Amino acid sequence: KQEVTQIPAALSVPEGENLVLNCSFTDSAIYNLQWFRQDPGKGLTSLLLIQSSQREQTSGRLNASLDKSSGRSTLYIAASQPGDSATYLCAPFGSSASKIIFGSGTRLSIRP
Amino acid sequence: DTGVSQNPRHKITKRGQNVTFRCDPISEHNRLYWYRQTLGQGPEFLTYFQNEAQLEKSRLLSDRFSAERPKGSFSTLEIQRTEQGDSAMYLCASSLGDRGHTQYFGPGTRLTVL
Repeated sequence: KQEVTQIPAALSVPEGENLVLNCSFTDSAIYNLQWFRQDPGKGLTSLLLIQSSQREQTSGRLNASLDKSSGRSTLYIAASQPGDSATYLCAPFGSSASKIIFGSGTRLSIRP
Repeated sequence: DTGVSQNPRHKITKRGQNVTFRCDPISEHNRLYWYRQTLGQGPEFLTYFQNEAQLEKSRLLSDRFSAERPKGSFSTLEIQRTEQGDSAMYLCASSLGDRGHTQYFGPGTRLTVL
């Protein structure tokens, strides 16, 4: 059974800093992995999807990496802004499954 | 706005009542998923549809829960005889195909059972 852990659970940094969010998963047989953003009381917004054959994916100030063999993914946010404040969720899609499994998320707060 | 809509956005009900939620996916998406999310946790998978066929249900989905997608378009999730433990955010997502495709989430329906 896939288990997903996200560290840290919460993070508060001043505006402008670069930061890294970590995700680990127990079953490395994944098809792809998505990173989502969730604002309080809202639905999820997909940020990046990395296929299992890829090592990283970039979108603007976001860069996600995937090390499937070690069961880890990181989300790098460059030059953080207050608008980046949200919960960030990691979700691998298992090769033998038909659904994605979510971690509990990292709650990020960017201080102006 | 991802293009996935859910109604109602909020529902307050008394214990023992039945409730029904609706999800309208992105029109060309053949996969539709339901998730439940409680405070401080990531979403938990409930069930999914490929067109009108319900292909998998989680053990979280007790006999009081039923989901349909009658024409392969919109979907409904019904909870019968609601309990306080059913209070959560219910999220719907759709995708074009399965594994290789991004899931797009709706805004969710927040259920409060008194």
